[in-house]
Amino acid sequence: ETGVTQTPRHLVMGMTNKKSLKCEQHLGHNAMYWYKQSAKKPLELMFVYSLEERVENNSVPSRFSPECPNSSHLFLHLHTLQPEDSALYLCASSQGQGIGHEQYFGPGTRLTVT
Amino acid sequence: AQKITQTQPGMFVQEKEAVTLDCTYDTSDQSYGLFWYKQPSSGEMIFLIYQGSYDEQNATEGRYSLNFQKARKSANLVISASQLGDSAMYFCAMTQTGANNLFFGTGTRLTVIP
Repeated sequence: ETGVTQTPRHLVMGMTNKKSLKCEQHLGHNAMYWYKQSAKKPLELMFVYSLEERVENNSVPSRFSPECPNSSHLFLHLHTLQPEDSALYLCASSQGQGIGHEQYFGPGTRLTVT
Repeated sequence: AQKITQTQPGMFVQEKEAVTLDCTYDTSDQSYGLFWYKQPSSGEMIFLIYQGSYDEQNATEGRYSLNFQKARKSANLVISASQLGDSAMYFCAMTQTGANNLFFGTGTRLTVIP
């Protein structure tokens, strides 16, 4: 496979469930990101990992818990979510960060919390 | 604070015609990068083009070009010879020195009419 892959593509979960989103990048990049995309709002950065170390947590509630076991894999563990957490969750990767380093995105996981 | 403004919620263009999507940005930094992404209905954010703040030439990538007007703080995307497959959401984004992430606008939905 090439690029950035995400599984599952769609997820419906109750507020008491625990689930995990998975992201894998096949580009040899050293930074990975989680973004949340809600309707009619700009993409919101959630977490950034660089060389497997978390470098940014953008005031995300603790019911979202990221994990980066190696430079190719990124997980987002979900528990006791709220209906307002329903959104498209996008994973991205880049070689380096900031100016001149474009991010490559996966197809996203469409999450619905019931 | 950074801010990206896309004032066109929706745009229509006739197939084979050119279209310009507007983007203005707000930053006090001298060094920054500007990106455009395309998001089809499938959800994946596709990187299109990049412009650095110190680049003297406007960036071009195939049918995409970026009309960079630094003094006006605008970075408009021009798509030439529109195709039906160009119908999608288009997002302008910015990063700057020391930033770990991209700051996105709210997007413009482009519809190409046959």
